[in-house]
Amino acid sequence: DGGITQSPKYLFRKEGQNVTLSCEQNLNHDAMYWYRQDPGQGLRLIYYSQIVNDFQKGDIAEGYSVSREKKESFPLTVTSAQKNPTAFYLCASSTLTGFYGYTFGSGTRLTVV
Amino acid sequence: DAKTTQPNSMESNEEEPVHLPCNHSTISGTDYIHWYRQLPSQGPEYVIHGLTSNVNNRMASLAIAEDRKSSTLILHRATLRDAAVYYCILRDGAGGGADGLTFGKGTHLIIQP
Repeated sequence: DGGITQSPKYLFRKEGQNVTLSCEQNLNHDAMYWYRQDPGQGLRLIYYSQIVNDFQKGDIAEGYSVSREKKESFPLTVTSAQKNPTAFYLCASSTLTGFYGYTFGSGTRLTVV
Repeated sequence: DAKTTQPNSMESNEEEPVHLPCNHSTISGTDYIHWYRQLPSQGPEYVIHGLTSNVNNRMASLAIAEDRKSSTLILHRATLRDAAVYYCILRDGAGGGADGLTFGKGTHLIIQP
């Protein structure tokens, strides 16, 4: 079945460490996205990419970095510069038109202690 | 994306219809109305979208006011599995493109057995 795989589901890190969240899709979608969700809040866009080797900042890109070396993969690195990294992180993908809707992964819950 | 307004929460009984409202008084002529829902600890999933006419699919129905300033997502017979946060989002064009969806806080739907 086609879909988006995020791993791991839960991740614990010590303050000051960089951590990379994985996102893989087999839907042949050109566009991929990373969102952050805090408790009781809606999703906020961190980065998105419409084509390999290119990506754009979203609303809250500070303290995060991404790469898009393959169409299927869009890893997110939460750097030590991110002041409040503990959150639920969601990856999504879509066609370039978005016509069939966005498909989301099941998320990674990151806790920094 | 134009702004939408939804109630913070709603409660309904199992096996009864649910009507989830969304106000979008500043909607433009080319904005489509999209609905997504997010089950607990999951990523959002696409529910339905429409422009002017009412729309039906296997998950729900979308009723759009004649002046398009409001819409209602209808779950015809709610089950406990429909308990989720429902997001109403406006996007320019049928798909809305690939620059990310803007999520508000949505409506938290509670289903009582």
